[in-house]
Amino acid sequence: GAGVSQSPRYKVAKRGQDVALRCDPISGHVSLFWYQQALGQGPEFLTYFQNEAQLDKSGLPSDRFFAERPEGSVSTLKIQRTQQEDSAVYLCASSILEDYSEAFFGQGTRLTVV
Amino acid sequence: QKEVEQDPGPLSVPEGAIVSLNCTYSNSAFQYFMWYRQYSRKGPELLMYTYSSGNKEDGRFTAQVDKSSKYISLFIRDSQPSDSATYLCALEDNFNKFYFGSGTKLNVKP
Repeated sequence: GAGVSQSPRYKVAKRGQDVALRCDPISGHVSLFWYQQALGQGPEFLTYFQNEAQLDKSGLPSDRFFAERPEGSVSTLKIQRTQQEDSAVYLCASSILEDYSEAFFGQGTRLTVV
Repeated sequence: QKEVEQDPGPLSVPEGAIVSLNCTYSNSAFQYFMWYRQYSRKGPELLMYTYSSGNKEDGRFTAQVDKSSKYISLFIRDSQPSDSATYLCALEDNFNKFYFGSGTKLNVKP
């Protein structure tokens, strides 16, 4: 595809349910980032991959959050036992290089935990 | 204290006005400075990036960085209703981590 694709666009989960959010980066992009954006706030860093290697996961809020990118392309962000405070938009971004280059964002997945 | 401070607005201006958006930051290790535009229910879209102090111009947009004061700005000339969006400043450290401001909501009235 032409851009970063995220699915689903919207997800409603009952508290305690596990969810999986998918990110398809731009083909050939080495770096992949996950961000969490609460309503009215800027995106907050969650984790960063370079190819299949997760180089930084310092932003993951708890051990209920887990991200993977097993083949260095598609990435999945999994949240176990969702809580209401997990409600946010989860944004994925990719960039072509290891070092700084333009990061392209997907449309995000809006997660609502009820 | 947050790494990046940005006035949330909202900022309302008439069409054709010059808009000034600003962020301050505390960490002198930041190397790259960016401005993103985010329309409602969309992902952020990169507008401008720079890595040095000074001005960078692209059409109606000018990004300004003052590393000594830890202050960055985005100027929009001849603002249009289509510029109405939330503008996010973002700073990148040496470890590929982006730090975003909270965003300024801009409304350009026709």
